[in-house]
Amino acid sequence: DGGITQSPKYLFRKEGQNVTLSCEQNLNHDAMYWYRQDPGQGLRLIYYSQIVNDFQKGDIAEGYSVSREKKESFPLTVTSAQKNPTAFYLCASGKGSSGSEAFFGQGTRLTVV
Amino acid sequence: DQQVKQNSPSLSVQEGRISILNCDYTNSMFDYFLWYKKYPAEGPTFLISISSIKDKNEDGRFTVFLNKSAKHLSLHIVPSQPGDSAVYFCAARQGSNYQLIWGAGTKLIIKP
Repeated sequence: DGGITQSPKYLFRKEGQNVTLSCEQNLNHDAMYWYRQDPGQGLRLIYYSQIVNDFQKGDIAEGYSVSREKKESFPLTVTSAQKNPTAFYLCASGKGSSGSEAFFGQGTRLTVV
Repeated sequence: DQQVKQNSPSLSVQEGRISILNCDYTNSMFDYFLWYKKYPAEGPTFLISISSIKDKNEDGRFTVFLNKSAKHLSLHIVPSQPGDSAVYFCAARQGSNYQLIWGAGTKLIIKP
């Protein structure tokens, strides 16, 4: 079945450590996105990629890094520079053309302990 | 500066009645709008969309209305069912810009 997969679903990290969240899609979508959701807020864009080997900062990119070495994969690294990393992280993919919707993964809940 | 606003954090509706979720936007350049539904601890799922060249789009129990002059759109769910209880997000896009701008969401509770 085609879809978008995020792993792990729950992740605990000690302060000061980097951690990488996985996102894989087999929908043959060009565009991929990382969002963060905090309680009572909408989704905020961290990074997005329109094509392999290219990505752009979103509204809240500080403290995060990404790579897009393959069309199917768009991992997000939460670095120790991110001041408030505890959140629900959502990965999405889309055809990238105007008017097309984005498809989301199940999300990863990251907790810093 | 919130470009997409959902002013009602929550809404409670009796089962079988109509649910109306509202969304306002400030950027007149937005030309495509989407509604997503989200259950706790899951990713949002796409519900319905509308292009700015239309003022209404219907899909089964879901209808989205767009009032460009008021910069307002609404999602109508008729009849409301218990499975509709979720958080609903409104999102907007401008032209070929890949970014979606999201509202804060409205939690819909369907009462039996």
